[in-house]
Amino acid sequence: DIVMTQTPLSLSVTPGQSASISCKSSESLLHGDGKTYLHWYLQRPGQPPHLLIYEVSSRFSGVPDRFSGSGSGTDFTLQISRVEAEDFGVYYCMQGIHPKTFGQGTMVEVK
Amino acid sequence: EVQLVESGGDLVRPGGSLKLSCVASGFTFSNYWMTWVRQAPGKGLECVANLNEDGRLIEYLDSVKGRFTISRDNTKNTVYLQMNSLRAEDTAVYYCVRDMSFGRFDPWGQGTLVTVSS
Repeated sequence: DIVMTQTPLSLSVTPGQSASISCKSSESLLHGDGKTYLHWYLQRPGQPPHLLIYEVSSRFSGVPDRFSGSGSGTDFTLQISRVEAEDFGVYYCMQGIHPKTFGQGTMVEVK
Repeated sequence: EVQLVESGGDLVRPGGSLKLSCVASGFTFSNYWMTWVRQAPGKGLECVANLNEDGRLIEYLDSVKGRFTISRDNTKNTVYLQMNSLRAEDTAVYYCVRDMSFGRFDPWGQGTLVTVSS
């Protein structure tokens, strides 16, 4: 199975500052159809996760443009510019090639 | 509104069985893969089982193979997870999710809690 490794595992951020999370996969996530199935989810305390970014860099419906994703192959990054109160929680990267697996999660908390 | 509602979570003894259900609404259920994702207390996320549109293609997490069975009834817009020989390590919130494409999960249900304890 593909192993997803996130760094850091926790991050303290001052509201208004930026944050960056790295996600590395043990194998390339480039599928034979030319797409790369790497997604990002945010889980706020007490809530189910929700989709932020899909296929590396596409923002899901309603996701603010302060969230951006980048990367290719095995190395990916989620960047949050101007962190707001609603952005605090645990971020997960996930690869969608069977079987699907998640990273360990990165907790982003208020500094 | 696109929605998934899980039910069936409970406290069960080790070795026991439980069946989870997830009812979908607001979209054409038979057009999508469906997945069960679980989260143990204070831990991360695991894809437990998923199945394709007609239920013929199925995948399981290695640790649940032979114990869990995923199925669906497209006439009832419902996906199920039959869990047998439950272990303490199966204790988790179980989420039902629609797979829009290769792990693009949306929406997520609110989850149902399964506790395995004597």
